Amino acid sequence: SQTIHQWPATLVQPVGSPLSLECTVEGTSNPNLYWYRQAAGRGLQLLFYSVGIGQISSEVPQNLSASRPQDRQFILSSKKLLLSDSGFYLCAWKGETQYFGPGTRLLVL
Amino acid sequence: GESVGLHLPTLSVQEGDNSIINCAYSNSASDYFIWYKQESGKGPQFIIDIRSNMDKRQGQRVTVLLNKTVKHLSLQIAATQPGDSAVYFCAENSGGSNYKLTFGKGTLLTVNP
Repeated sequence: SQTIHQWPATLVQPVGSPLSLECTVEGTSNPNLYWYRQAAGRGLQLLFYSVGIGQISSEVPQNLSASRPQDRQFILSSKKLLLSDSGFYLCAWKGETQYFGPGTRLLVL
Repeated sequence: GESVGLHLPTLSVQEGDNSIINCAYSNSASDYFIWYKQESGKGPQFIIDIRSNMDKRQGQRVTVLLNKTVKHLSLQIAATQPGDSAVYFCAENSGGSNYKLTFGKGTLLTVNP
C-alpha cells in the first residue's frame, strides 16, 4: 500500500533562517506531488506541484521554492524565512484521488 | 477569481442525527470534487469524491450530492457520531489532469453526545 511521510512534524525557526521540509511517498512510482499551505482556521492553498523529477510548477509568488530530486521525494525550501511563512504545510500525492501527508507545523518567530 | 466556498462555517448536531454540509463552487469547468475530513493537527483525510458526470454517490454512512445547475455540492453524514467531529472541506479540481485542487474554507462539525 502507498504511504506518505513528512518531516519534521513540528518546527520553530527564527526569521531569516533557512528552511527545508521533506516529503516522501512509498508504494508508488512517478506520482504527481503537491505542496499546500494552510493558515490557522483556513482552507488549503496550493503552493507547488510536480509531475516528475526536476519538474516544478509554482502556483503563487512567494518566499518559498520546491525541488524534486528523486521520483518519490519532494522538498520545500526557503533561503530566509518570513513571519508570514508560519503555517501548516501539507504534502500530497495523486493516486486514484489526492492523498495528504500528516503535515509539518512551522512557526517562524 | 473563481473559488469554492461553504455556506456554513460551523455546524452542531446531536449524536445520531444526520448532518448536511454544503459547498458552493463557481468554476463551471471543474470536473471532479472531493470531500475531506480534517481533525485538529492532522492532514486532510479523503472521505468521498464525485465526478461531474454523476449527481450522487454513496459511501459508508456518507453521501455526496452534486447539483451542476446551481453549482452546489453537499455531504450528508448519516447517524453522526462523536468521532465525526472535525473540519470538513470540499475541493474541486480546476487543473485538469494535473489535479490542482481548490479548497473551500471548511465547516467545523461538532457532534454533541
